[in-house]
Amino acid sequence: DVQLTQSPSSLSASVGDRVTITCQASQDISNSLNWYQQKPGKVPKLLIYDASNLEEGVPSRFSGSGSETDFTFTISSLQPEDIGTYYCQQYDDLPPDFGPGTKVDL
Amino acid sequence: EVQLEESGGRLVQPGGSLRLSCAASGFTFSSFQMNWVRQAPGKGPEWISYISDSGSDTYYKDSVKGRFTISRDNAKKSLYLQMTNLRVDDTAVYYCVRGKLEMATILNPFDVWGQGTLVSVSS
Repeated sequence: DVQLTQSPSSLSASVGDRVTITCQASQDISNSLNWYQQKPGKVPKLLIYDASNLEEGVPSRFSGSGSETDFTFTISSLQPEDIGTYYCQQYDDLPPDFGPGTKVDL
Repeated sequence: EVQLEESGGRLVQPGGSLRLSCAASGFTFSSFQMNWVRQAPGKGPEWISYISDSGSDTYYKDSVKGRFTISRDNAKKSLYLQMTNLRVDDTAVYYCVRGKLEMATILNPFDVWGQGTLVSVSS
């Protein structure tokens, strides 16, 4: 199975800050990496797919980059509504597992 | 509006069985892969099962293989998860989740999620 590690596991930032989360895969997964946001008490939401493609309707302050084993997720200017946990997920191979998550708060 | 609505979750004893259902609306259900993803209390999401658009291909996480069965009825626009020999560590919110691409032959991102149904396994 492909193992995903995320760092940091949690972070605190201020409104307007640039926030960066990394996700590392245990093997080459090409660009088959997604990023999801889960706000407290809510359902996970797809933000970025194929490593760098912004899902329709998602604000442009969210972005993703990377390929093979190293990926980065960025919020260019943190907003209060961005508080929650962010998960990477690979879908290059079964099982399409999620990373352990990064909790973002203010 | 594209929607998925799960039902069937409840409290069940260890070793028991349960069938979850998911009703789809707002899209051509028969054209999309579907999945079940669960989330235990305080934990991250965990994919557990996949079914192709036609229902001909299914895959399972090792931890549920042999105990859970995914199926679909495209005429009824419904997805199912039959769960048997339930264990305490199966306790979670179970989500019905759509694969993003129509007519896809490979795994793809999860773009639509239901609100989830809670399965509690306890004596």
